[in-house]
Parts: sequence; C-alpha cells; structure tokens
Amino acid sequence: EAGVAQSPRYKIIEKRQSVAFWCNPISGHATLYWYQQILGQGPKLLIQFQNNGVVDDSQLPKDRFSAERLKGVDSTLKIQPAKLEDSAVYLCASMLRGVGNEQFFGPGTRLTVL
Amino acid sequence: GNSVTQMEGPVTLSEEAFLTINCTYTATGYPSLFWYVQYPGEGLQLLLKATKADDKGSNKGFEATYRKETTSFHLEKGSVQVSDSAVYFCALSDRPSASKIIFGSGTRLSIRP
Repeated sequence: EAGVAQSPRYKIIEKRQSVAFWCNPISGHATLYWYQQILGQGPKLLIQFQNNGVVDDSQLPKDRFSAERLKGVDSTLKIQPAKLEDSAVYLCASMLRGVGNEQFFGPGTRLTVL
Repeated sequence: GNSVTQMEGPVTLSEEAFLTINCTYTATGYPSLFWYVQYPGEGLQLLLKATKADDKGSNKGFEATYRKETTSFHLEKGSVQVSDSAVYFCALSDRPSASKIIFGSGTRLSIRP
C-alpha cells in the first residue's frame, strides 16, 4: 500500500514570495491533516479536512495561509506572502476514518524562507 | 488547555542500555496517549498507544503505561539498539474518540555502538 505522498521535499524562497505544497493521502482515507513543525518543536495542526470539508482550521493563519482539498482526495497548502517565521517542515497526514484511528504521515516538505 | 511535556534531549546511550523518556500531560477528561517516532529522513510513525488508564502500549520492544494518577506516559525499552536512534514524540488526543492530536516537543535519541 502506498503511503502519503508530498511534494516538493524541499523549497527555498525569499520572504514575501508565495509557495504551495501538495499532498496525496493514502487511497480511501477520508481525513487529511496539515501540520507545521518548526525546528525543535512538535508538529502543530494547521488544518483538518474530512473529505473535502474543513473540520478544524483554528490554528491556520488565514491572512497568509490557505488550503483546499478538492474532490476529497489530494490537497494543497499555500502560503502567500511568506515570512521568515514560516520556515519549517510541513507535514501531511491522513486517517481512514474521522476518529480513533492511526494517522499516517508523509515525509514532509522542508521550507526555508530567506 | 491540553498539553504534553516530555524530557528534553538529546539523549545519548550505549547499545543495550535501558531507556526511559519521560512524558507528562495536562488534559481534561480522558485522553488517548501516543508515542510517535521519526527516523532520520522518514515521516512520523505511530510507535504505540494507550486509550485508557492502566493500559500498556507496546511495540518493537518499547512499552508505555497510561498512569492517570501521575498524568504520565513514560516510554521505556530494556535494551536499545543503534537502529532505535530517532526523535520520539509523546502525544495525546483530547478525547478517546477525537481525531485531533497534540504533540510534545520531541526527544532526540542517539545510540552509540
């Protein structure tokens, strides 16, 4: 079974530029998460989707971050414009059902903002 | 709010040593507790979990017991191997049925041959 796919693996941009990350979850997984992991910290949830609807985006900085999950499958996370403090690893995870099951994580995208 | 506190690293041990990584939590109600592991260059993986008080989660020689009286979920292994070198994250979900997970800051473990 293929795991959670993410691209790109690495991205370097200058502040005020925009960037997009892509995630393809495990086939059939209805729940999809985006996390931000700053160096030396644990992952922090940015947004959670159930199919193509948003369940929780309370910690998403909506003035610069946006995410969508069209057709309830793959998802895109965008930052526009980027700030220095956005440098982090962005992790995507998926889960088979809405509650009580294991989250499977992708390898992440390491973003460096200069 | 809900939170997880785990011992700071890095932790460096010799092969075959005994491992303990401390984890305590703050939560209302009855959370589920997890240990996740991140091997170099790989994504986070669930290592073990416990969903109620006094449950013991175990996997790959690692164990952790859900202690409600001390709000702890310490990770232990009797004899570590070089291949156990990784970053370990303690985590909780705020309700047993919840799908949102809160992570600790992680503990980097390095094992010397």
